[in-house]
Amino acid sequence: EAGVAQSPRYKIIEKRQSVAFWCNPISGHATLYWYQQILGQGPKLLIQFQNNGVVDDSQLPKDRFSAERLKGVDSTLKIQPAKLEDSAVYLCASSLVGSSYNEQFFGPGTRLTVL
Amino acid sequence: AQKVTQAQTEISVVEKEDVTLDCVYETRDTTYYLFWYKQPPSGELVFLIRRNSFDEQNEISGRYSWNFQKSTSSFNFTITASQVVDSAVYFCALSEAGSNSGYALNFGKGTSLLVTP
Repeated sequence: EAGVAQSPRYKIIEKRQSVAFWCNPISGHATLYWYQQILGQGPKLLIQFQNNGVVDDSQLPKDRFSAERLKGVDSTLKIQPAKLEDSAVYLCASSLVGSSYNEQFFGPGTRLTVL
Repeated sequence: AQKVTQAQTEISVVEKEDVTLDCVYETRDTTYYLFWYKQPPSGELVFLIRRNSFDEQNEISGRYSWNFQKSTSSFNFTITASQVVDSAVYFCALSEAGSNSGYALNFGKGTSLLVTP
């Protein structure tokens, strides 16, 4: 079974530029999560999708971050414009259904450096 | 407020020593789930265990064991006879089943474990 795929793995941009990350969850997984992991900290949820609808985006900085999950499969996360403090690893995870007991499977992450 | 606290930032042990990683959580939900994940240097989070709030039985899986105590809101993780391959950052996480939650994982800050030969 293929795992969660993410691309690119690494990205370096200048502040005020825009960037987009892509995630392909495990086939059949209805729930998709985007987490931000700043160096030395645990991952923090940015947004959660159930199929193509948003379940929770309360911690997403909506003035600069946006995300979509068209057709309930792949998802993209965009930052525009980027700030220095956006430097982090962006992790995508998926689970079979959205429930507290469901194991979340994580992708390898995209490491973003903002200069 | 931090819902999951991992007070140990870094731990260093010599191979074959036992090591316990502490996790203290905070929630008002009566139904919740606790997880441990491992993050090796490669960066990918690997699921280790899930525990629900109604099951306080300790669990052992090979060299790994987990001690869940609701009375102290703790879910500690012990590695017996540690090996170099256990070197990683370990995260404890909480998922709440309350109606306002999206079932996202609330992670602690992680404990970096270094096992030296």
